[in-house]
Amino acid sequence: SQQGEEDPQALSIQEGENATMNCSYKTSINNLQWYRQNSGRGLVHLILIRSNEREKHSGRLRVTLDTSKKSSSLLITASRAADTASYFCATDAAAGNKLTFGGGTRVLVKP
Amino acid sequence: DTGVSQNPRHKITKRGQNVTFRCDPISEHNRLYWYRQTLGQGPEFLTYFQNEAQLEKSRLLSDRFSAERPKGSFSTLEIQRTEQGDSAMYLCASSLRQQETQYFGPGTRLLVL
Repeated sequence: SQQGEEDPQALSIQEGENATMNCSYKTSINNLQWYRQNSGRGLVHLILIRSNEREKHSGRLRVTLDTSKKSSSLLITASRAADTASYFCATDAAAGNKLTFGGGTRVLVKP
Repeated sequence: DTGVSQNPRHKITKRGQNVTFRCDPISEHNRLYWYRQTLGQGPEFLTYFQNEAQLEKSRLLSDRFSAERPKGSFSTLEIQRTEQGDSAMYLCASSLRQQETQYFGPGTRLLVL
């Protein structure tokens, strides 16, 4: 079963705009990760935030984590057409490090 | 290419046939994971190995599914007596034990007719 929900399910923006997507989860976590998936391909790891962190940056990506609300957000600044993809949050709760994914947000960046 | 590789990339089979997929992880990674992803959904965990030991299996992994990692290197996932509901993308990932980031392969897309 999916750990959480992602919101929105789909997002369409113009190149240069910012894209924000949210992820909610249900159980306590060790860390939360964001992955990108281009159509029909494997997942690419974007960023990991640990449960004791509140915010993390990587290039044009900014991730926040609120463990009290069991939610996270991913912000992509100055979007590019190449950012068109599905974005998934995944939580790591157990010692085995298996990941539990959300349903994903499909982002379309129009040139 | 030193990433995770999966073969075949695509497989079309008839209902009732057996299929086997292979995953070659990044060479120094001792953890290997299998996930399944259906259209429009996020990946779902199936099973994982640490070296050659299979440490956890999801309830999604029915008795028609079997996974092996005989020498702690590559892994195979076999589905016996395939059903149309098995149609999905099967993803493999690997990681170092102490490292949380999982590196995914390109996946094997299975279509059961």
